[in-house]
Amino acid sequence: GAGVSQSPSNKVTEKGKDVELRCDPISGHTALYWYRQSLGQGLEFLIYFQGNSAPDKSGLPSDRFSAERTGGSVSTLTIQRTQQEDSAVYLCASSLVVGGISPLHFGNGTRLTVT
Amino acid sequence: EDQVTQSPEALRLQEGESSSLNCSYTVSGLRGLFWYRQDPGKGPEFLFTLYSAGEEKEKERLKATLTKKESFLHITAPKPEDSATYLCAVQAGENAGNMLTFGGGTRLMVKP
Repeated sequence: GAGVSQSPSNKVTEKGKDVELRCDPISGHTALYWYRQSLGQGLEFLIYFQGNSAPDKSGLPSDRFSAERTGGSVSTLTIQRTQQEDSAVYLCASSLVVGGISPLHFGNGTRLTVT
Repeated sequence: EDQVTQSPEALRLQEGESSSLNCSYTVSGLRGLFWYRQDPGKGPEFLFTLYSAGEEKEKERLKATLTKKESFLHITAPKPEDSATYLCAVQAGENAGNMLTFGGGTRLMVKP
């Protein structure tokens, strides 16, 4: 079936604007993850969902970042009042099982540029 | 805190020149170690999962091995199409929720 789908693939926004990034996971995958990859940096964990709930929000960089997941499927990552340091590639991943050992399957990311 | 360190940061090889990439980790209660390949402009693509020391996995020209402190990704007779960034990640702890901690990656360039 289809892999993890993210939209938009690219987003350019002005400093101070809000943005929404969307992730459509692989059908049937119960867990969903958001990571951030900055230029020259490794992947930084942001948040994960088990079903519609987010047990661990510790990775969110600030209270300007929020995420939700509805119907155990699509997730939205929202960044309010964007700053230039928010510029990065935002990657979404899903996996079949939480609690077991299951690889994460990634989308191709949304490249966010804050001008 | 879980830590994953990959070396070298970059590696240039001639086509056919075999080599190894290293992933050193410090975690509490390793549950799994993962290798991914990432091409420019793409998300990481899953390659292997290793669960315990001594385990090995192979796929085409790639072989991953695991000890109690590190993992190696051996590339035998690489081709230019093997050029990519290779990422190592660990899953650890009881309540990890499958969260992976990633290393910084090794950028591999294979010249014809």
